[in-house]
Amino acid sequence: NAGVTQTPKFRVLKTGQSMTLLCAQDMNHEYMYWYRQDPGMGLRLIHYSVGEGTTAKGEVPDGYNVSRLKKQNFLLGLESAAPSQTSVYFCASTLTGLAGETQYFGPGTRLLVL
Amino acid sequence: SQKIEQNSEALNIQEGKTATLTCNYTNYSPAYLQWYRQDPGRGPVFLLLIRENEKEKRKERLKVTFDTTLKQSLFHITASQPADSATYLCALGGGSSNTGKLIFGQGTTLQVKP
Repeated sequence: NAGVTQTPKFRVLKTGQSMTLLCAQDMNHEYMYWYRQDPGMGLRLIHYSVGEGTTAKGEVPDGYNVSRLKKQNFLLGLESAAPSQTSVYFCASTLTGLAGETQYFGPGTRLLVL
Repeated sequence: SQKIEQNSEALNIQEGKTATLTCNYTNYSPAYLQWYRQDPGRGPVFLLLIRENEKEKRKERLKVTFDTTLKQSLFHITASQPADSATYLCALGGGSSNTGKLIFGQGTTLQVKP
């Protein structure tokens, strides 16, 4: 089992460019989450999904879109990147989303927007 | 709004001593609290879960307490080792919706010196 994987590991974008971050999990988990982590801010939830074909907004969704066309994949898109979106992005998943369930995290994608 | 506070300053201790990390929260009534470990350049890894009706949980050298009156959790690492050096995140969960969403603190960096 690879667990949760993220592609790419690192990316540099210019302001206004678009990109898609890919998260994949091979644990048959229903719930998936996208976070961003900034110094001194902790992990903040961007969007999440409670199952294939569903998505919902988290704490900081503006400027991002997501899609969950396949159960194992959760995509995070930036349509027009801004310097404020420079961050480390983490994807996580849980089996059923029940109270207290462990979240399994990917290794992260470091994004720099110039 | 919901707020979680962890010691923002790094905690430096000598090998063999007990490390104690604090997590305080306001404007929230979590059903459970989790602690994660994060190493530089990696995603968080789950360590312990404690529920609102539990006062204390132990796992090997780790101990977590949860005081819902004080709105505080303490995380202890006994007989600390240099390998315990990392950032530790607390996360609260268990709101009204069953989505497994967590709210994370900003983390406390622990440095154990040999």
